[in-house]
Amino acid sequence: DAGVIQSPRHEVTEMGQEVTLRCKPISGHNSLFWYRQTMMRGLELLIYFNNNVPIDDSGMPEDRFSAKMPNASFSTLKIQPSEPRDSAVYFCASSPGTQVDTQYFGPGTRLTVL
Amino acid sequence: AQKVTQAQTEISVVEKEDVTLDCVYETRDTTYYLFWYKQPPSGELVFLIRRNSFDEQNEISGRYSWNFQKSTSSFNFTITASQVVDSAVYFCALASNTGNQFYFGTGTSLTVIP
Repeated sequence: DAGVIQSPRHEVTEMGQEVTLRCKPISGHNSLFWYRQTMMRGLELLIYFNNNVPIDDSGMPEDRFSAKMPNASFSTLKIQPSEPRDSAVYFCASSPGTQVDTQYFGPGTRLTVL
Repeated sequence: AQKVTQAQTEISVVEKEDVTLDCVYETRDTTYYLFWYKQPPSGELVFLIRRNSFDEQNEISGRYSWNFQKSTSSFNFTITASQVVDSAVYFCALASNTGNQFYFGTGTSLTVIP
C-alpha cells in the first residue's frame, strides 16, 4: 500500500508569493495532521483533521496559513503571503483513528522562502 | 499539562556498543500512549513503537528494546549492538484523549561511529 504522499518535495519561492502544499493520506485513514519542523522549534502540530473536519487548528501560526480537507483523500496547506521565517520542512501525517493512534508520516516538503 | 523530555540532545557511540535513549513524560491522564519515531538523515519520520499506559511489559524487536516504567514516568529505548544505519534523530512522543495532538520531545541525535 502507498504511504502518505506529499507534493512538492521541495519548494523555493520568493517572499510574498503564495505557496500550496499538498497531501494524500493513506487510504482508509480518518485523521490527518500537518506539522512544521525547524531546528529552533522542533516538530510543531499546525492542524488536525478528523473525518475531513478541522478539530484543532491552534497551532496555525497566523492568518497567513490556511488548511483545507475537501475530501478524505486530499488536503492542502496554503501560505499567503509567504515570509522567510516560514522556511521549514512541512510534514503531513495520517492515522487510522484519532490523535492517539499511530501517525504515519509523509516524506515532507522542504520549503525555502527567499 | 502534557510534556515529553528527552534530555540527551546528542549521543555518539562506537559501532557494536549498546546505547539507551531516555524519555521522560508528564501527564495527568490515566490512559495515554507513548511512541518512538526515527528520523534518519534522509528526513522521513519512521514509526517504531506504540505502547499504552496499561501495558508495562518491556518490548523487544530485534536489536531494539523499550523499557516502560510508570513509577518513574519513563519510556526508554535501547539499541543493542548499534550499527551505522542506526544513526538518526529519535523522537519520543505522548498522546492522550484529553489533548488533540502528539506531544513530541525535542529528539536525541544518535551518531554511530564505524
